[in-house]
Amino acid sequence: EAQVTQNPRYLITVTGKKLTVTCSQNMNHEYMSWYRQDPGLGLRQIYYSMNVEVTDKGDVPEGYKVSRKEKRNFPLILESPSPNQTSLYFCASSRLGTGVGPPLHFGNGTRLTVT
Amino acid sequence: DQQVKQNSPSLSVQEGRISILNCDYTNSMFDYFLWYKKYPAEGPTFLISISSIKDKNEDGRFTVFLNKSAKHLSLHIVPSQPGDSAVYFCAARGKETSGSRLTFGEGTQLTVNP
Repeated sequence: EAQVTQNPRYLITVTGKKLTVTCSQNMNHEYMSWYRQDPGLGLRQIYYSMNVEVTDKGDVPEGYKVSRKEKRNFPLILESPSPNQTSLYFCASSRLGTGVGPPLHFGNGTRLTVT
Repeated sequence: DQQVKQNSPSLSVQEGRISILNCDYTNSMFDYFLWYKKYPAEGPTFLISISSIKDKNEDGRFTVFLNKSAKHLSLHIVPSQPGDSAVYFCAARGKETSGSRLTFGEGTQLTVNP
């Protein structure tokens, strides 16, 4: 089954304790991205990657890191989490394309709480 | 600076009636517009899209209308069904935007009452 898998689904941590949220896709997609969803703000892009070893900042990259060592994996790293990073996080992937573009496939989300 | 705005956080309609979800954008460089639907505890899923060269795109019960001069698009669902109850996100991107990079709106919670 074609899917984007995020782990964990739920995570509660304390300020400053480094954490990683994993994302893996089995569709051989070139493009992968991380979004955060916050009430009243919708989905905001954190980082994206157009292929292996190619990553770029989205709209809200501060406090996050990513890596793309393999095509299928795109982990999100919070080196020193803070309470304002409490949010619902989504990983997404798609083929690259022109025009309206191929649709993004999203994972089921990771609910992160930083106390 | 919210470039894609969905001004109605919620909408409630009766089963069988029309649901109209609205979206406004400010960036005149946006050329492609998409709607995603999101159920609780799941990620958003693609619903329908439209290119700026069109003013309407239809897919079954779902129709998206684009008014470029007003920088406004809307999603019509006819007839609405209880299973349509979800959060709907409007999204947009420009021709030159890298890959599949999208700008999303805040979302509208649609509730269809039986």
